[in-house]
Amino acid sequence: AQSVTQLGSHVSVSEGALVLLRCNYSSSVPPYLFWYVQYPNQGLQLLLKYTSAATLVKGINGFEAEFKKSETSFHLTKPSAHMSDAAEYFCAVSDSSYKLIFGSGTRLLVRP
Amino acid sequence: ETGVTQTPRHLVMGMTNKKSLKCEQHLGHNAMYWYKQSAKKPLELMFVYNFKEQTENNSVPSRFSPECPNSSHLFLHLHTLQPEDSALYLCASSQDTRRNTEAFFGQGTRLTVV
Repeated sequence: AQSVTQLGSHVSVSEGALVLLRCNYSSSVPPYLFWYVQYPNQGLQLLLKYTSAATLVKGINGFEAEFKKSETSFHLTKPSAHMSDAAEYFCAVSDSSYKLIFGSGTRLLVRP
Repeated sequence: ETGVTQTPRHLVMGMTNKKSLKCEQHLGHNAMYWYKQSAKKPLELMFVYNFKEQTENNSVPSRFSPECPNSSHLFLHLHTLQPEDSALYLCASSQDTRRNTEAFFGQGTRLTVV
């Protein structure tokens, strides 16, 4: 069975600081992994996805994530946080059929 | 209008009411989904439709009844709900149901059951 664990329900960074949001997955098949962002009162928007091509995936808004099979991780990073990055971020894995299994989410707070 | 549109954005209903949530996608996708997002819980997949056929019912109570008249429209009919059904209901669509296909989400309907 597939599962996703996001470490830290809340992450707080200063504006301009590095953003690191952690995601670890469990999958019985080669995984397809996704990061989504949810702004207040909005639906989810795809940031990036890993589908077994390059292990370093670049997404929108300056975010990127690196797939590390040995660590079963897919952490999301951004070199310099902006106030507009404040949102909730969800990591997801596609299971052996097509369903997306989501983590519990990490709320990113950006301090001025 | 583009993307996935959900109406209404907010809904308050009593436990004896009947209401419906509507979702429309303008992306030419063939698969549509209903998700439930409750506070402090991961998103829960409720229903999946692929080419208008229901392919997944994730043990959802019968007080939730989906309908998919065509590939562009998806409804969720609600009746005799419970307060614990209060949540954000998200509709999503994807080109197909392959594993590497991303889903596009609507803005959701915030449902409050009183």
